Amino acid sequence: DAKTTQPPSMDCAEGRAANLPCNHSTISGNEYVYWYRQIHSQGPQYIIHGLKNNETNEMASLIITEDRKSSTLILPHATLRDTAVYYCIVPNTGGFKTIFGAGTRLFVKA
Amino acid sequence: DTAVSQTPKYLVTQMGNDKSIKCEQNLGHDTMYWYKQDSKKFLKIMFSYNNKELIINETVPNRFSPKSPDKAHLNLHINSLELGDSAVYFCASSQVGWTLIEGGYGYTFGSGTRLTVV
Repeated sequence: DAKTTQPPSMDCAEGRAANLPCNHSTISGNEYVYWYRQIHSQGPQYIIHGLKNNETNEMASLIITEDRKSSTLILPHATLRDTAVYYCIVPNTGGFKTIFGAGTRLFVKA
Repeated sequence: DTAVSQTPKYLVTQMGNDKSIKCEQNLGHDTMYWYKQDSKKFLKIMFSYNNKELIINETVPNRFSPKSPDKAHLNLHINSLELGDSAVYFCASSQVGWTLIEGGYGYTFGSGTRLTVV
């Protein structure tokens, strides 16, 4: 079973911020949260990851709650090209057997 | 330069045939994986290899046989193909111990091989 839970789908207007939530209530103290996205049937692409602190890169921001049981991926100005399935994962140690859930299908609408 | 490349991109074959999918990575990673994505879009780990050694075999039928001739290659051979094998197969790689490294960027996936068994 996946260690994370995400809503199955979300809509967002083009140009607005897309906020994608993820619950990972069983996360351990040294486990990172990673976000990937999959556009059409391409291979998933890395977006961002974090442990405790909020993180930002050129693609997105990651907000992690203080208890680390949930996080939110923020795409500050969503574009049509951001329409994709977004996966939140918590890899086990070594990352040899990571479970990907169904992710959140984000639809960005004009 | 494609970081993780898979061939072929599409594969249509008849039940009972044997087929292979090849994967190569030029990232210098030590660990490689095969994932299967079914029609419901779940990504399921099949095999993990670290430094050419099998680490994870996730209850995959023994008709599936991975082979890693060196750290940069992980191929997947499938015998006696069945209708239920139809899926998209993704190869991925990562640096060893990436989950414990603050700067570890995790998996790099290939573009996938869409296998259709008819």
